[in-house]
Amino acid sequence: GENVEQHPSTLSVQEGDSAVIKCTYSDSASNYFPWYKQELGKGPQLIIDIRSNVGEKKDQRIAVTLNKTAKHFSLHITETQPEDSAVYFCAASDGGSQGNLIFGKGTKLSVKP
Amino acid sequence: ETGVTQTPRHLVMGMTNKKSLKCEQHLGHNAMYWYKQSAKKPLELMFVYSLEERVENNSVPSRFSPECPNSSHLFLHLHTLQPEDSALYLCASSMGGGNTEAFFGQGTRLTVV
Repeated sequence: GENVEQHPSTLSVQEGDSAVIKCTYSDSASNYFPWYKQELGKGPQLIIDIRSNVGEKKDQRIAVTLNKTAKHFSLHITETQPEDSAVYFCAASDGGSQGNLIFGKGTKLSVKP
Repeated sequence: ETGVTQTPRHLVMGMTNKKSLKCEQHLGHNAMYWYKQSAKKPLELMFVYSLEERVENNSVPSRFSPECPNSSHLFLHLHTLQPEDSALYLCASSMGGGNTEAFFGQGTRLTVV
């Protein structure tokens, strides 16, 4: 089955700096890779996703890159702000008919003002 | 607000109690999921329902019993739980069929004493 590894587990940056979170997956059949942001006391919310026919996707300060050959994908947040502080999860679809999501362990991002 | 509502938000129960968690979505989605979120662990997929039929049960102990009476409602019935079952239980829904965004509820924080 699919296995997703996520690094780092914690990340602290200064406001305005960039933050990068990396994930690797094991199942070459996986073809959908969402990123979720979870704030304290809330459920995870989708912030960006990418499908395997695309190498990069941007949405304002957030971008995701995918390297299918190496089976890794990354989240890039530029010009970080204190409100970006949260736990970020990557996930990969297991490629089955249900497309069940397998999640990484999460990265706790702290943005210091 | 994601359109997925979970009740209660917090629950404390003894090991001999029976309780139920409720999830409701009015997004017109066909698939609903239960996830368990424990500290320092990835989100664990417990059950998947597609069009009210259980399509996956990830080796979850029988003390957790799901029920999906219709495509908008999902329950998780709990009985004779153990302290290690204390966690955040998240419900999610999606259009199903693979590779589609999952919308999460805010979760039920369960404490077993």
